[in-house]
Amino acid sequence: GAVVSQHPSRVICKSGTSVKIECRSLDFQATTMFWYRQFPKKSLMLMATSNEGSKATYEQGVEKDKFLINHASLTLSTLTVTSAHPEDSSFYICSAMGRKGEQFFGPGTRLTVL
Amino acid sequence: AQKITQTQPGMFVQEKEAVTLDCTYDTSDPSYGLFWYKQPSSGEMIFLIYQGSYDQQNATEGRYSLNFQKARKSANLVISASQLGDSAMYFCAIRMGAGGTSYGKLTFGQGTILTVHP
Repeated sequence: GAVVSQHPSRVICKSGTSVKIECRSLDFQATTMFWYRQFPKKSLMLMATSNEGSKATYEQGVEKDKFLINHASLTLSTLTVTSAHPEDSSFYICSAMGRKGEQFFGPGTRLTVL
Repeated sequence: AQKITQTQPGMFVQEKEAVTLDCTYDTSDPSYGLFWYKQPSSGEMIFLIYQGSYDQQNATEGRYSLNFQKARKSANLVISASQLGDSAMYFCAIRMGAGGTSYGKLTFGQGTILTVHP
C-alpha cells in the first residue's frame, strides 16, 4: 500500500532553536498534505492544510509564523517549528492525500523541547 | 462545522469477545465520509474502515464492521473476536465530501482506549 514517511521520527532540541520535520509520500503524488498535532492520550488536532505550490491554510489559533509549512513538490511537505519552546513539545503527524482522495498518515515525529 | 463525539474514554474486553466502540457525529453536509483509525503505543495511525454517507450497506473489513445509523448520526465500530493486539487507542473521524474547501480535512473524536484482557 501507499506509504508516507516522516523524518525525523524523534527529535530533542534546546529551547529557541528551530526544527524541521519532513513528510514524504513515497509512491504517490500528494495534492494535499495535512499537519496534525497530538498531545499524550489526546485527539489529533489539525494545524494546517498544505497544497503543492501554494501557501498553507492554517486552522484558527495556529500561529503561521511559528509553524512554517512548505509544500515544494507533490511528494514533500515540511513543517518548521521556529524558536521552539517546551510548550511546543508534542507528537506531530502528517497525512497525504492523493488525487483520488486516498489518504495516508505518516508515522509521526515526537518533538521534545528542553 | 462538523463534530465527532466518542463518549467512551476507555473500554475493556475479554479476548475473543466482541466489542463496540461508540461514535456520533454532527454535520449539515449531506456528503461526508466516516473513518476509524487505530493508534497503538507506537503512534502510527492505522486505517481500519471507511463508510461513505451515501453507502447503502454497512462497511466491513475482516474483523471490523461499522454500524452506520445515518438517521441517528452514529457510526459505531464493532470488533469481533478481540485479540490482545487490538489493545490501542481508537479514533473515529469525519471528512467532508469532495468539492468543498474542507475536503480532505479529518475531524477526529476524542478517542477510546481499548484494553483487551487475556
